[in-house]
Amino acid sequence: DTAVSQTPKYLVTQMGNDKSIKCEQNLGHDTMYWYKQDSKKFLKIMFSYNNKELIINETVPNRFSPKSPDKAHLNLHINSLELGDSAVYFCASSHTLGVQYFGAGTRLSVL
Amino acid sequence: QQPVQSPQAVILREGEDAVINCSSSKALYSVHWYRQKHGEAPVFLMILLKGGEQKGHEKISASFNEKKQQSSLYLTASQLSYSGTYFCGTEIKGSNYKLTFGKGTLLTVNP
Repeated sequence: DTAVSQTPKYLVTQMGNDKSIKCEQNLGHDTMYWYKQDSKKFLKIMFSYNNKELIINETVPNRFSPKSPDKAHLNLHINSLELGDSAVYFCASSHTLGVQYFGAGTRLSVL
Repeated sequence: QQPVQSPQAVILREGEDAVINCSSSKALYSVHWYRQKHGEAPVFLMILLKGGEQKGHEKISASFNEKKQQSSLYLTASQLSYSGTYFCGTEIKGSNYKLTFGKGTLLTVNP
């Protein structure tokens, strides 16, 4: 049973398209995150939700919109994709103050 | 605000020891250590919450000097399975549990 699962694992799309990545955790955690890892492996937080409330919103283009329908789910929608959006996107979850458990990642390639 | 990790890369022979350092310019609430193998998600190693705290995990341990805002990860008698990129993630007081990750240290253990 995967603790933090992301879909899809790979996403190849054209510039200008809109795409979504889904994340679900079955650990009972109350906090979920989206990270972006670029080609240089720099892992940068984008958003965080605690009990469905947005608590961290880093300087991210507003083409990126997270949505948390409930504590166990956090989705990421990206509008008008650009070449620079190509990266691996990781979802993670944790109890408040706790260890973060990462999903397997979604490798996004924008052509 | 990004913590500074050193060294950037280290190559070991099986059985050798290594130390990875992480330092911040900000007062820290906690330090997290993660290991990421190529093509995989980051995996939690340990969290340090108190000044001077030292924790162990098999032959991997870490220390946290709150006054100096530094943490070190100690890998003793390294095994091939220790290879990967090690990230420290630092949490600043009042940051809503936000982790800021260093650029990572690539550790390669050779037979």
